[in-house]
Amino acid sequence: ELKVEQNPLFLSMQEGKNYTIYCNYSTTSDRLYWYRQDPGKSLESLFVLLSNGAVKQEGRLMASLDTKARLSTLHITAAVHDLSATYFCAVDPVIQGAQKLVFGQGTRLTINP
Amino acid sequence: DTGVSQDPRHKITKRGQNVTFRCDPISEHNRLYWYRQTLGQGPEFLTYFQNEAQLEKSRLLSDRFSAERPKGSFSTLEIQRTEQGDSAMYLCASSFWRTPYEQYFGPGTRLTVT
Repeated sequence: ELKVEQNPLFLSMQEGKNYTIYCNYSTTSDRLYWYRQDPGKSLESLFVLLSNGAVKQEGRLMASLDTKARLSTLHITAAVHDLSATYFCAVDPVIQGAQKLVFGQGTRLTINP
Repeated sequence: DTGVSQDPRHKITKRGQNVTFRCDPISEHNRLYWYRQTLGQGPEFLTYFQNEAQLEKSRLLSDRFSAERPKGSFSTLEIQRTEQGDSAMYLCASSFWRTPYEQYFGPGTRLTVT
């Protein structure tokens, strides 16, 4: 059974600082997704990583994927308050057919002024 | 198109009652997914449709749960004889067959069973 673990689960940081969220998964997969969720809201897609070594950046967020280590990272650069949210990584364990995503527990990020 | 829509957004029901939720995917999206999210957890896969065919169901989907997508467009998720443990956010997502890895999520239906 595929397991997806995020670390840390809670993160409180100051504006302007850098930090990294880690996502480990237990079986082979070439597809890794990052989502953002604001309180009471649905999921917003941030990044789709589809191959080993994939790196994508959007604003202050950068995501990378190492399929050999079964590890993805979400790096936050010079954090701002607007990035406060819960971040989920998800893995697609099936090469063909349904993309039934398996999610991590989420990392609740709070950015303080 | 304004994205995936779900109705209702909130539902409060008493234990033992039946409830039905509706999901309207993005037009032309032939794949539709249902997930359940409990407080403080990530979403969990429930079931998946390709067009009108229900191709996969999670073991989380007990006999009290049934999902349909009769014409390959909107989908309904019904829960019979609700239990307090059914309280959760029910999320619907859709994707296009050419880009199946791009799932677009709806706003969700929050169910509270009292």
